Formats: sequence, structure tokens, C-alpha cells
Amino acid sequence: DAGITQSPRHKVTETGTPVTLRCHQTENHRYMYWYRQDPGHGLRLIHYSYGVKDTDKGEVSDGYSVSRSKTEDFLLTLESATSSQTSVYFCAISEGGFNQPQHFGDGTRLSIL
Amino acid sequence: AQSVTQPDIHITVSEGASLELRCNYSYGATPYLFWYVQSPGQGLQLLLKYFSGDTLVQGIKGFEAEFKRSQSSFNLRKPSVHWSDAAEYFCAVGVTGNTPLVFGKGTRLSVIA
Repeated sequence: DAGITQSPRHKVTETGTPVTLRCHQTENHRYMYWYRQDPGHGLRLIHYSYGVKDTDKGEVSDGYSVSRSKTEDFLLTLESATSSQTSVYFCAISEGGFNQPQHFGDGTRLSIL
Repeated sequence: AQSVTQPDIHITVSEGASLELRCNYSYGATPYLFWYVQSPGQGLQLLLKYFSGDTLVQGIKGFEAEFKRSQSSFNLRKPSVHWSDAAEYFCAVGVTGNTPLVFGKGTRLSVIA
């Protein structure tokens, strides 16, 4: 299995608080992605990165920011969490290009009360 | 922009029966095609991929998929389903350029005795 670690695995927090999710990889892959998964919506891309300090928005980026200061780490931040951001968040990595297979972490279940 | 449709939200099959999950894509050229499986509480695992060449692709866990350009389809098949195959299945399409993979909304497979 690809070396991808998401932390925390579970988090419960309150509306209005900042939240940061971490994705750590040991594969030295250039491309990293953050998705959210919700019933009826499948996977939706939040943000992605194609190198250190190179990031771009996905289809549901409002309310989220990302940072990638090292190849191995991709952070997702909810500046002021809202209940609509309650979801399961997945990190994925790929090498060689956007059209290559992605490998996924085990997810973070985030509940915002 | 490319898109993926999985027409079936939920499918139930009997153990030992054959399985076919449908995937249709929209893209002007030959895409890169993928099938993933997600077991409860886990991330997505790559089952198989198609880039070019033989249109019948073999994957892990006894799955195969066939690319049909004329139908813009990439259906997943298995000749005999096991109870452990119960999971959610996602089709994804990739294209050349700077666009991440696009995932379908998934098909949930239930297996009954």
C-alpha cells in the first residue's frame, strides 16, 4: 500500500473553530489531492497540489485553504468550520501526471457541531 | 470538460452470480480510465486501469473491465461475486493536460446469500 497517513483520523469540533487536517506521504509523489466524500455526492475535489508551494482549487474549494511547504505534507485548513463541512476527507497522491492513478489515504471523519 | 456517469446507485446480486457495473464517460479523445473499490471505513483502492492497447483489462480481486469506444463505456465485470465484494465502486476518467481525475458518484454493491 502507498505510504499515506492522514491525521487525525477522527475529529469533533464546534462551528467557528479552525481545523487543520494533515496528509503525510512517504512516496515522494509530486501530486497530492484533498477530497470530501458525502452521501449522494461521491468524491468531490477540494484542492490539489502539483509541487511544493504549487496548489490550485478544485470544484468545492470555498471555505478551505491548503498549504504544501514540503513534498511529503499537504495540509487542509478550514479557517472557520461550519456544519456543512461535516464530512469524510480523503487525501490522495499520484506521480507522473494528473492522469495517473491516485492512491488514497484512509480518510478523516470530521464532525462539526 | 470530461465527465463520468455511473447510472446505477445501488445494485444487489446473489453470491456466485455474475456482476457488471456500468460506467460511461464524456470526452472527445481516448481517456485514461480507472475503477476503484471502497470498503466501509476505508479509502479507495485501485482495481484496474486502462491507458491504451487491449480493450479488455484485468485487475485485482478477479475483476475485469472492457473499454468500448463506440459506447463511451468502461464497464466493470466479475464472473462470480463473493460476499467480500460488497463495497462501493467508483469509475474515474483522466485526460491529457493539467486536469485531475474526475470520479463518478459511485455504485454501491450489496451481495446476498
